[in-house]
Amino acid sequence: LAKTTQPISMDSYEGQEVNITCSHNNIATNDYITWYQQFPSQGPRFIIQGYKTKVTNEVASLFIPADRKSSTLSLPRVSLSDTAVYYCLVGRGYGGATNKLIFGTGTLLAVQP
Amino acid sequence: DTEVTQTPKHLVMGMTNKKSLKCEQHMGHRAMYWYKQKAKKPPELMFVYSYEKLSINESVPSRFSPECPNSSLLNLHLHALQPEDSALYLCASSQMDKSSGANVLTFGAGSRLTVL
Repeated sequence: LAKTTQPISMDSYEGQEVNITCSHNNIATNDYITWYQQFPSQGPRFIIQGYKTKVTNEVASLFIPADRKSSTLSLPRVSLSDTAVYYCLVGRGYGGATNKLIFGTGTLLAVQP
Repeated sequence: DTEVTQTPKHLVMGMTNKKSLKCEQHMGHRAMYWYKQKAKKPPELMFVYSYEKLSINESVPSRFSPECPNSSLLNLHLHALQPEDSALYLCASSQMDKSSGANVLTFGAGSRLTVL
């Protein structure tokens, strides 16, 4: 199983771009990288997923270097409502014994006014 | 319908009680998950069902008993719990479509359990 490592916490101000990096040194060839956002007392919510290079959607971008041993979630122009815990998960998640989806420690992003 | 619905939202039980948590989804997802989350900690995987069969049990104590009666429902039966089992219990589901890359988890809002 690919273990993930993220910074425990980050601070930012409204309007800034925030980049959160996740290390996953033993990522397998078939693994994908998926990021989730979680607010207190709610379930995690899907943000973005990628396999290699760059992926962009309406809320974030995901940068994955060629060796895929790390990934960076980029949140453009954050607002107070982006204060949450962000998790990166590595795997495929088909439910079989070899495809567990395990959460790492996550990064608590605190956005200040 | 793109939601996972969990009931009850809050549950208080004594150590001798028997209760159940319920989870329902109508997205046609064939994998369903139970996670346990303590305060300020990441969700911990407990059980995974694939096509209504238990595929992963993360060495969870037998006082937690999962059940998947059909492809839309997932239950977690609770019996003789301890105060340290108090936590947010999250249900999630995902497709089993290997052709579209990795599956994305859709989570419910959770059931907050307090064991007295």
